[in-house]
Amino acid sequence: DGGITQSPKYLFRKEGQNVTLSCEQNLNHDAMYWYRQDPGQGLRLIYYSQIVNDFQKGDIAEGYSVSREKKESFPLTVTSAQKNPTAFYLCASSTPDRPSNQPQHFGDGTRLSIL
Amino acid sequence: QKEVEQDPGPLSVPEGAIVSLNCTYSNSAFQYFMWYRQYSRKGPELLMYTYSSGNKEDGRFTAQVDKSSKYISLFIRDSQPSDSATYLCAMSAFGAGGTSYGKLTFGQGTILTVHP
Repeated sequence: DGGITQSPKYLFRKEGQNVTLSCEQNLNHDAMYWYRQDPGQGLRLIYYSQIVNDFQKGDIAEGYSVSREKKESFPLTVTSAQKNPTAFYLCASSTPDRPSNQPQHFGDGTRLSIL
Repeated sequence: QKEVEQDPGPLSVPEGAIVSLNCTYSNSAFQYFMWYRQYSRKGPELLMYTYSSGNKEDGRFTAQVDKSSKYISLFIRDSQPSDSATYLCAMSAFGAGGTSYGKLTFGQGTILTVHP
């Protein structure tokens, strides 16, 4: 079955540590996105990528980094500069076909907590 | 003021009730409107997708968009316990130059419980 796989489901970070969240899709979608979900705040966009080797900052990119070396993969690194990393992280992908270019497929998320 | 406002609830209804979920927004450039359903510890799944104003029906679900009032609604008829989830509204506009880069602005989500 096609879909988006996020791993791990749960992740713990120590102070000063960088951690990387994995996102892989086999939907042949060009666009991929990372969102952060906090209680009572909906989803907020961290980074997005429309095509391989290109990505753009979203609304809350500080303290995060990404890469897009392959169409199928869009890993997110939460760096030590992110002072409040505890959240539910969601990866999404979409087809670029007009008129809709919206993230319609989400993975099941990674829950990141501070140790 | 947030661009998209959604009553977080929680909302509790008996099985078989009609549920009304709503969002208001302030950005008149929004043209695409979506409703997602999110079960606990899962990613959101797309329920309804509408463009501009009007109604769209899919089984027990009806989405309404009133752009003049900047107000969207999702109605669930004959609600079932399996409908218990968080419902998120989301919307987007075309970016500069008429291209859409897929950025969605989400509401806070409404927690719905349908009890037998």
